[in-house]
Parts: sequence; C-alpha cells; structure tokens
Amino acid sequence: DGGITQSPKYLFRKEGQNVTLSCEQNLNHDAMYWYRQDPGQGLRLIYYSQIVNDFQKGDIAEGYSVSREKKESFPLTVTSAQKNPTAFYLCASSPSLGPGGYEQYFGPGTRLTVT
Amino acid sequence: SQKIEQNSEALNIQEGKTATLTCNYTNYSPAYLQWYRQDPGRGPVFLLLIRENEKEKRKERLKVTFDTTLKQSLFHITASQPADSATYLCALESSGGSYIPTFGRGTSLIVHP
Repeated sequence: DGGITQSPKYLFRKEGQNVTLSCEQNLNHDAMYWYRQDPGQGLRLIYYSQIVNDFQKGDIAEGYSVSREKKESFPLTVTSAQKNPTAFYLCASSPSLGPGGYEQYFGPGTRLTVT
Repeated sequence: SQKIEQNSEALNIQEGKTATLTCNYTNYSPAYLQWYRQDPGRGPVFLLLIRENEKEKRKERLKVTFDTTLKQSLFHITASQPADSATYLCALESSGGSYIPTFGRGTSLIVHP
C-alpha cells in the first residue's frame, strides 16, 4: 500500500523538551510539507521541501526544525523555543511543487500535547 | 491582506438534499483551487482540483465551480448521505510564486438521516 505515515499518533512531552515527529512516504513524491492545525483553524505551513537536502521555511517556522536526508523521510523537531507547541501536526507530500497545482496526500497526523 | 473565507457555522441538511459550501477569497489570483475532506482527528483527503480557466468540474456526486470574477468557489454534494458528514476545506494557490496551497478553516457539514 502506498501512502504516508506519521508516528506516533499521540505524543506527550514536558515543557522544555525537544520532540521529533516522524513522517515517511512511499509514494516517490519529491515534495513534502509539515502543517500545524489548531482547533477551528486552517492548516498553517511550518516547513516544506521540494527535493532531498533542501527545505524552506513556511509561515510559522519559528521554534521548529526539519531535515530531508532521504526522499521518503521528512522529520519535524519541535524545539523548546516553540511557545505553544500543543497542536495537531500533519505531514503531506505531493508529486512535485510547481505551477498548475498538485494534490497533497496527508498522513494521519500526530497530536502533540506539551504540559 | 489575503483572506480565504469559509463559513465557520456548520451546515446542517437532510439526507438526500444537495449541500452547497462556499469558499470566498480576497487578494489572491489563484491559478487553481482545491477541495479536501477532513474527518475528525484525521488528515485531509483530496477531492477535486479546478483550474482558473475551468468554470465547473464534476466527480460522481461532487461538483465544484470557480468564479474568478466573484472570487468564489462553490462545492456541491448532491444526494447527500450521513457518511458525507465531515469538514470540507478549500485551498488556493498561494501568491508569491511558491505554488503551495493555502488552506481555509473549513466548513463542517452534518447530514441528518
């Protein structure tokens, strides 16, 4: 089955700790994305990557970091510098990134709670 | 400033009726617009993409229109079923050349049996 997986589904951390969220895809997609969703809010873009070893900040990158060492993997680290890290985090991929629009394939999400 | 507006109030309809959801936008010139379905606690699922030179697109019971003059897209589900109950998100191509879609907040649809 081709798809995009995120783990874990639920994650609990104490304030001040860094935490890494996993995202893996076997769709052979070049582009990958991380979004954050808060209750009643739209998806907000954290980081995106068009190709291996390259990534760009999205609208709310402060307090987050990513890496793209392999085409299929795009982990997100939520650092202690992120002021309000409790949220639902969604990873997505698309075949490419360019004009004309590509549908995004989303993972099941990770719900992070920081206390 | 740029805005994507979807009705924040839930749309309640009876089974069998046509559901119509609205996506309005300002200060965008999107080359395309997408619609996604999101169930509670899950990731969005892509439904339809419509380009700026297309007025209407259909897929089974779904129909999307795109009026670049009114800056509005309408999303219709005909013969609605309780299983259609979900939140529906519209997404527009961002301005600035990144080509990444920007998502609206979504509208919740509740179909009553």
